[in-house]
Amino acid sequence: EAGVAQSPRYKIIEKRQSVAFWCNPISGHATLYWYQQILGQGPKLLIQFQNNGVVDDSQLPKDRFSAERLKGVDSTLKIQPAKLEDSAVYLCASSWDREYANTGELFFGEGSRLTVL
Amino acid sequence: QKEVEQDPGPLSVPEGAIVSLNCTYSNSAFQYFMWYRQYSRKGPELLMYTYSSGNKEDGRFTAQVDKSSKYISLFIRDSQPSDSATYLCAMSAVSNTGKLIFGQGTTLQVKP
Repeated sequence: EAGVAQSPRYKIIEKRQSVAFWCNPISGHATLYWYQQILGQGPKLLIQFQNNGVVDDSQLPKDRFSAERLKGVDSTLKIQPAKLEDSAVYLCASSWDREYANTGELFFGEGSRLTVL
Repeated sequence: QKEVEQDPGPLSVPEGAIVSLNCTYSNSAFQYFMWYRQYSRKGPELLMYTYSSGNKEDGRFTAQVDKSSKYISLFIRDSQPSDSATYLCAMSAVSNTGKLIFGQGTTLQVKP
């Protein structure tokens, strides 16, 4: 079974530029998550999708971050304009359904590492 | 105060040692408790999951949850160099299905 795919793995941009990250979840997984992991910290949930609807985006900085999951499969996370403090690893994760994440059946991709200069 | 507190370490032990990793939390609504392992430049992967209080054992790993103290632990017996990684505790509440709150992570190094 293929895992969660993310691209690009690494991105370096100047502040105020824009960047987009792509995620392809495990086939059949209804729930998709974007987490932000700043160096030395644990992952922090940015947004949670159930199929193509947003369940929780309470911690997404909506003035600069946006995310979509068209057709309930792939997802894109965009940052525009980027700030220095956005330097982090952006992890995509998926689960069969929301309840499965509670029991640890949450599968992460390898992440997209962003450096903002 | 953070909802979940975890000592970041780093923790360095000799091969074969028993390792104890811990997290404390403040939200009494947490019912699901997980430990994830994260190797450098990789995504977290699930090690152990426990519901409510109690112990759970899986090979060299034992997870303990003490809800009365709001304290969870992960024990690693006969630690190996391959156990060198960052260990993240994570928790969630029934009312907030699928939203995991992670600790900061503890970096462990097991020296041969």
